[in-house]
Amino acid sequence: DAKTTQPPSMDCAEGRAANLPCNHSTISGNEYVYWYRQIHSQGPQYIIHGLKNNETNEMASLIITEDRKSSTLILPHATLRDTAVYYCIVRGQGAQKLVFGQGTRLTINP
Amino acid sequence: DVKVTQSSRYLVKRTGEKVFLECVQDMDHENMFWYRQDPGLGLRLIYFSYDVKMKEKGDIPEGYSVSREKKERFSLILESASTNQTSMYLCASSQWDEQYFGPGTRLTVT
Repeated sequence: DAKTTQPPSMDCAEGRAANLPCNHSTISGNEYVYWYRQIHSQGPQYIIHGLKNNETNEMASLIITEDRKSSTLILPHATLRDTAVYYCIVRGQGAQKLVFGQGTRLTINP
Repeated sequence: DVKVTQSSRYLVKRTGEKVFLECVQDMDHENMFWYRQDPGLGLRLIYFSYDVKMKEKGDIPEGYSVSREKKERFSLILESASTNQTSMYLCASSQWDEQYFGPGTRLTVT
């Protein structure tokens, strides 16, 4: 699976959009981009995933660049409960294993 | 709603003890996983199972074994606990793409 690079930490004001970047320059054609988050003392939580088109669900939006070498997770109206470590993961179709890196520690400030 | 439960949130065991960590999912998922999470190392896959009585080694299986006698239950066994197995243990299940995680068991081996 391709390696991902994320900033170690970010801050965002409550109510604003939080934009979390991820670089995955070695991604191959059949690999998907997944986002999970882990709130303190809890297990990771699935957020969203995509292949090449932008995706949106009730939690977030995922924007993948045309060359697929990077992506951005957008939390449109961040709340204090969104404070967590966010993991960007690249995984091949059918592959079962998730490889978690260090992620981005997002802090939402009041 | 999706649910993965783990038998204990906190566990303290002595070196040399046999330890059982239990995980139950109520989603009729085929696949189940055991990870451990350590500071600076992220989540690492210990074992996974894609069917009843089937198992595959993950990245760090040494010192662990698993059992899957029923579809909903996946057990992690530490045959003889050691201090370097002090960690957060996370169970997950999946059917296709998303993995759903339990709350974790923080195991301390003294």
